[in-house]
Amino acid sequence: ILNVEQSPQSLHVQEGDSTNFTCSFPSSNFYALHWYRWETAKSPEALFVMTLNGDEKKKGRISATLNTKEGYSYLYIKGSQPEDSATYLCAPVVRGYNKLIFGAGTRLAVHP
Amino acid sequence: NAGVTQTPKFRILKIGQSMTLQCTQDMNHNYMYWYRQDPGMGLKLIYYSVGAGITDKGEVPNGYNVSRSTTEDFPLRLELAAPSQTSVYFCASSPKSTGELFFGEGSRLTVL
Repeated sequence: ILNVEQSPQSLHVQEGDSTNFTCSFPSSNFYALHWYRWETAKSPEALFVMTLNGDEKKKGRISATLNTKEGYSYLYIKGSQPEDSATYLCAPVVRGYNKLIFGAGTRLAVHP
Repeated sequence: NAGVTQTPKFRILKIGQSMTLQCTQDMNHNYMYWYRQDPGMGLKLIYYSVGAGITDKGEVPNGYNVSRSTTEDFPLRLELAAPSQTSVYFCASSPKSTGELFFGEGSRLTVL
């Protein structure tokens, strides 16, 4: 069983605040790391797929970094907006396994 | 382009009944997955498939069965429905093991 931990479990911020959360995963046999954004009553949507140690990806105000040696990834949101309210899921892919095991997610609420 | 289509969207079952959740994708993806949404636990992998004729268990396979006779279709069968199977089920597909997942809209199942 792949142990994937996301922290914090939930987060409440004010509009305009910048925030970040963490995904921790086993570093051995690392292959890729996925981040998804999941709005209530909708389906998860991919944000990033990262494979290289030190990689940094950005999409608008959202960015992510990856440290495969120590087994963690950070997701940053700059200037949070109410529409950023969602659950953010990470899922590492282990070499030799073809399945995506998701963490429990970080639930973000951005208040106007 | 329909993407990933799940049916039905809603269903109520009695304990002990059987049913099949249908999932089809028109993107010619080899990888397909079934997840269930457990409150506070994010997405749990039930079964997955890396191509037609090949399926494997995920984290929570008990009480479910799958088949993959074609690239397009990946049905999930519940043989003897139990209240613990009340959940929202998501089907997803991907072109490769490191590729992003494309999710269906979900199927809400209630077992009474």
